[in-house]
Amino acid sequence: ETGVTQTPRHLVMGMTNKKSLKCEQHLGHNAMYWYKQSAKKPLELMFVYSLEERVENNSVPSRFSPECPNSSHLFLHLHTLQPEDSALYLCASSQDLGGQYEQYFGPGTRLTVT
Amino acid sequence: DAKTTQPNSMESNEEEPVHLPCNHSTISGTDYIHWYRQLPSQGPEYVIHGLTSNVNNRMASLAIAEDRKSSTLILHRATLRDAAVYYCILRDWYNNNDMRFGAGTRLTVKP
Repeated sequence: ETGVTQTPRHLVMGMTNKKSLKCEQHLGHNAMYWYKQSAKKPLELMFVYSLEERVENNSVPSRFSPECPNSSHLFLHLHTLQPEDSALYLCASSQDLGGQYEQYFGPGTRLTVT
Repeated sequence: DAKTTQPNSMESNEEEPVHLPCNHSTISGTDYIHWYRQLPSQGPEYVIHGLTSNVNNRMASLAIAEDRKSSTLILHRATLRDAAVYYCILRDWYNNNDMRFGAGTRLTVKP
């Protein structure tokens, strides 16, 4: 497989469930990102990792917990979510940090919290 | 942070060139100009980026004004598959990656 892959593509979960989103990049990149895209709202950056270390955490509620075990994999662990957390969650990667590098996005996980 | 301004929507005919404008009057010297597009039900797709000089790749061309306060994404021959929302974004050399997507330009391609 090439590029950035995300699983699952669709997820429905109750507010008391615990689930995880998975992202994998096959590009040899050093930086990985989680974004949230809600309906009719701009893309929001959630977390940034560089070489498995978190470098940005944009005031995201603790019910979202990222994990980056190596530079190719990124997880987003979800627990006790709220209905307003329903959104498209996108993973991206880039060669390194900095504006000179383009980002490559996965297809996203469409999350519905009931 | 520097911001961009784009028209809400544009239309084009298939196989004709499309020029998508972007204004960024408060751009700083270390801001790169990036373009991404997003098709329905998909993640954003990188199109092109540049700093000062015009850029070409297999997808598009990027024309950057001499004062860098505006830029234009050029699709040389629009196809139906180019119908998407196009985002113009400024990304700083040093900033740890705050990708600020605005509303973008929704491009409609007519057959």
